[in-house]
Amino acid sequence: DIVMTQSPDSLAVSLGERATINCKSSQSVLYRSNNKNYLAWFQQKPGQPPKLLIFWASTRESGVPDRFSGSGSGTDFTLTISSLQAEDVAVYYCQQYYTTPLTFGQGTKLEI
Amino acid sequence: QLQLQESGPGLVKPSETLSLTCTVSGGSLSSSSYYWGWIRQPPGKGLEWIGNIYYNGFTYYNPSLQSRVTIIIDTSQNQFSLKLSSVTATDTAVYYCGRHERSENYPRWIDYWGQGTLVTVSS
Repeated sequence: DIVMTQSPDSLAVSLGERATINCKSSQSVLYRSNNKNYLAWFQQKPGQPPKLLIFWASTRESGVPDRFSGSGSGTDFTLTISSLQAEDVAVYYCQQYYTTPLTFGQGTKLEI
Repeated sequence: QLQLQESGPGLVKPSETLSLTCTVSGGSLSSSSYYWGWIRQPPGKGLEWIGNIYYNGFTYYNPSLQSRVTIIIDTSQNQFSLKLSSVTATDTAVYYCGRHERSENYPRWIDYWGQGTLVTVSS
């Protein structure tokens, strides 16, 4: 199985400041034939299902604010929130879909 | 707008079989563009992929659960179901159903999720 490890486990950021969450995979999720990274990011607020933010490591889902961005390649990825808003308080998960079993990171709790 | 809704018992006894159904509205399970799947989340913990099914019945299962899991699909009712046998307390979780984007014949990211249903395993 591909193990996804996020850092940090929790993060406190001031309103308007930048938040950065890291995700590392135990093996590359870059498929060289199409040069795509098979990685997604989700946001989960208390009592709600996860919400898709980003897929292909850097493609923002429709309707997701542009303050959310994804970057990275191979085994190292980053989710960046450029200017933290109060509604961004949540737990964030990365997920690889390079191969089954699909696996998730352990989550990063983002607080203000 | 696509909607998914989980249904089933909220309490299951140890050693019995957990059974849940996901009803899809606003879209068709017969689409060739998607897989349909189950993910679970123990209270206060992270997400675990259980498995997926395609409209033709083809399945992928998490090897850690494969011996106990069955996912079936009923396109005429626009429903798919999960059965997990021989449950223990460690199977207590919120169970989500979801739609997976399909590419290169594999399930990929989940773009639509149900609200989730808590299943507690206890005598």
